Amino acid sequence: GESVGLHLPTLSVQEGDNSIINCAYSNSASDYFIWYKQESGKGPQFIIDIRSNMDKRQGQRVTVLLNKTVKHLSLQIAATQPGDSAVYFCAENTGGFKTIFGAGTRLFVKA
Amino acid sequence: GAGVSQSPSNKVTEKGKDVELRCDPISGHTALYWYRQSLGQGLEFLIYFQGNSAPDKSGLPSDRFSAERTGGSVSTLTIQRTQQEDSAVYLCASSEQGFNSPLHFGNGTRLTVT
Repeated sequence: GESVGLHLPTLSVQEGDNSIINCAYSNSASDYFIWYKQESGKGPQFIIDIRSNMDKRQGQRVTVLLNKTVKHLSLQIAATQPGDSAVYFCAENTGGFKTIFGAGTRLFVKA
Repeated sequence: GAGVSQSPSNKVTEKGKDVELRCDPISGHTALYWYRQSLGQGLEFLIYFQGNSAPDKSGLPSDRFSAERTGGSVSTLTIQRTQQEDSAVYLCASSEQGFNSPLHFGNGTRLTVT
């Protein structure tokens, strides 16, 4: 399938360790943020979202942190597994209906 | 249930020819989006449709690109007089309401212009 993001920032972690993927967003007026996971040859898949009135939200093995002061978003993956290897995108909704995506980070999980 | 379906999955065309890419969104989703993803790049917004409102075409890169959505469901992205720089993966997504709801993507159409 298509390989995406050959020139993306890369994070390499050992299986079982925690992963932290960071993202800086652009618009201080954005009020809805989403993380997506994209595997080779597939479209992005929704992981977790957070609204601007929250600082933290937890899902299954994933946590999203939002720091509005510095316009920073992070995705934490607990006990990273080989199946977590993919490209991860943060996205912001800038008001209205348009969703803007960040550049993406490639996560490699070493067995 | 059925997700977003895109066809064809791969398309090879000669420079100068027109192409049509199709997207079947999730039933009941009012918002539909097209994005473009070039190799080594992120997702570039092209256009979105929301219900019966006029589409936001602000991301279309040139007047060779157009899209329509018939009956509030199926959408077609048309690229006229294709150029080599149009080669990319074209992704379609739908969402329940567009704002404050996640996008559900298809697996894209990989377009190669020779």
